[in-house]
Amino acid sequence: DGGITQSPKYLFRKEGQNVTLSCEQNLNHDAMYWYRQDPGQGLRLIYYSQIVNDFQKGDIAEGYSVSREKKESFPLTVTSAQKNPTAFYLCATYRGRRENTEAFFGQGTRLTVV
Amino acid sequence: ILNVEQSPQSLHVQEGDSTNFTCSFPSSNFYALHWYRWETAKSPEALFVMTLNGDEKKKGRISATLNTKEGYSYLYIKGSQPEDSATYLCASSGSARQLTFGSGTQLTVLP
Repeated sequence: DGGITQSPKYLFRKEGQNVTLSCEQNLNHDAMYWYRQDPGQGLRLIYYSQIVNDFQKGDIAEGYSVSREKKESFPLTVTSAQKNPTAFYLCATYRGRRENTEAFFGQGTRLTVV
Repeated sequence: ILNVEQSPQSLHVQEGDSTNFTCSFPSSNFYALHWYRWETAKSPEALFVMTLNGDEKKKGRISATLNTKEGYSYLYIKGSQPEDSATYLCASSGSARQLTFGSGTQLTVLP
């Protein structure tokens, strides 16, 4: 089955720890994105990558880091510098260009700082 | 940064009622308007992509319209069913290949 796999589904982190959220896709899409959702807010863009070995900051990149060593994989690290990491994180890929853009999403990771 | 706003934030309707909600977006530098349906514990799934002023799309009991000049889109659900309960997200894409999402409208259809 083609799709996007995020793991883990739930993640608990102690304050001061870095954690890495996994996102793997077998859709053969070039572009991959990380979004964060907080209660009552829309999806906010953290980082995106349009091609292997290249990535760009989104609107709220501070305290996060990413890598894109393989087309299939775009892991997100939430560092200790992220002041308020508790949130729901969605990974997405995009197909198409401009008006034909369509996003496909994983099922998300809920991160809680304890 | 594009500002996409949705209203209402949440909505409860009775089974069989028809309903609609609004997405507003900046009309400048517009390429496309997207609607997604997001059920609890599932991934958001695409409903519609619209690009032209006056576009109307329909999928079963759900339809959407687009006004790019004034910067709004409506999503309509006719004869709501409990399985329509979900969060409906709209997103606008501008010159960069990104989607800017609204905060969603959470719909609950009561049996």
